[in-house]
Amino acid sequence: TQLLEQSPQFLSIQEGENLTVYCNSSSVFSSLQWYRQEPGEGPVLLVTVVTGGEVKKLKRLTFQFGDARKDSSLHITAAQPGDTGLYLCDPGSARQLTFGSGTQLTVLP
Amino acid sequence: DVKVTQSSRYLVKRTGEKVFLECVQDMDHENMFWYRQDPGLGLRLIYFSYDVKMKEKGDIPEGYSVSREKKERFSLILESASTNQTSMYLCASGESTGGEQYFGPGTRLTVT
Repeated sequence: TQLLEQSPQFLSIQEGENLTVYCNSSSVFSSLQWYRQEPGEGPVLLVTVVTGGEVKKLKRLTFQFGDARKDSSLHITAAQPGDTGLYLCDPGSARQLTFGSGTQLTVLP
Repeated sequence: DVKVTQSSRYLVKRTGEKVFLECVQDMDHENMFWYRQDPGLGLRLIYFSYDVKMKEKGDIPEGYSVSREKKERFSLILESASTNQTSMYLCASGESTGGEQYFGPGTRLTVT
């Protein structure tokens, strides 16, 4: 089973800073989902990207799907403490790939 | 809103006990999934089901079994719990394989 690689694994920043986290694989995805998981809860879907080069915005979060559909990034502008959580990516479509291990983001007030 | 519920948020069992984890979804989804989540290992798929009475092994099925007798309910069974099965167990459902998944709140299982 191939794992998605997410980086960085941990990220701790101050409120107001910008950040980018990455999701990479050597395989091509037909789609990719991003989730956020808060402590003690299940992951919650943020967005699905489908088309190579696609950019989706969700308030201060910007999701980009690589042109070759092998990678994706999540950029957060002016991070807030409420953004704290584990960010997971999942290709969904192929059972030989599984969720990445995630990026644990902590935004300090 | 899609709702996925799990029977317990926290569970403590002894080694060798048979453990049932129940999951119910209310959106008539075809697919249901069981994952376990451990620090540094991400979510690992145990089993999934794409229809009633149908199941497929995920990445780590050993020591687990599942049951799906009704579309809305997917059960995970630990036949003889062991300490290495202490983990967070997450159930999810979705309309199609490869699509978005909706997760329950998780069951934190401790086997002593």
